[in-house]
Amino acid sequence: VQLLESGGSLVQPGGSLRLSCGASGFTFDSFAMTWVRQAPGKGLEWISTVTGSATKTYYADSVRGRFIVSRDNSMNTLYLQMNDLRADDTAKYYCVKDLLRNRLLYWSQFDSWGQGTLVTVSS
Amino acid sequence: QSALTQPRSVSGSPGQSVTISCTGSSSDIGDYNYISWYQQHPGKAPKLIIYDASVRPSGVSDRFSASKSGDTASLTISGLLGEDEADYFCSSYARGNIVLFGGGTKVTV
Repeated sequence: VQLLESGGSLVQPGGSLRLSCGASGFTFDSFAMTWVRQAPGKGLEWISTVTGSATKTYYADSVRGRFIVSRDNSMNTLYLQMNDLRADDTAKYYCVKDLLRNRLLYWSQFDSWGQGTLVTVSS
Repeated sequence: QSALTQPRSVSGSPGQSVTISCTGSSSDIGDYNYISWYQQHPGKAPKLIIYDASVRPSGVSDRFSASKSGDTASLTISGLLGEDEADYFCSSYARGNIVLFGGGTKVTV
């Protein structure tokens, strides 16, 4: 399994950014995929999950209404569209894979992690 | 969506055992068995070491064990080695279809 995030950069407050995560080594469309972030020197924070078939999406309160998770199963790619970015969105963003296939719920055990992509929100 | 509560740090000598607690509520740990533990070395991505509250993935040392009682989960590291020095995070599925993480515990050997 390989997960490779990209798209992180320095962005001004109020700006937008789209993160991508290319996946390989597993049947991508069979697994829920999740974004988890980690602010510098801080703990982990669950951000958003999309089910394998992309029929369901879930968001943390801290990003609901500003971030949109999506996936392109034909391209084995996960996305995170981030809008109205704030300073407290500054973090490394990890793309993570669910442990078990075909879960519509309880997709909370992450057995594969990318190396992360850094998003810095600052003027 | 409050984070789960972990001690900020624990320490032990080589060969000893340490236990990390992770306290939640009846809306998360108390209501689900979807509790995981992750190990994170500096500058690295987290690694899953426990899932379903007490199950070790293939390849994870049996020196790691975990359990759950009520609203609290626990991770025990036995026979401490220098390589166990890392940050450890618990997580739980929670009511409302969200995932909560603990704040993390730094283990010093």
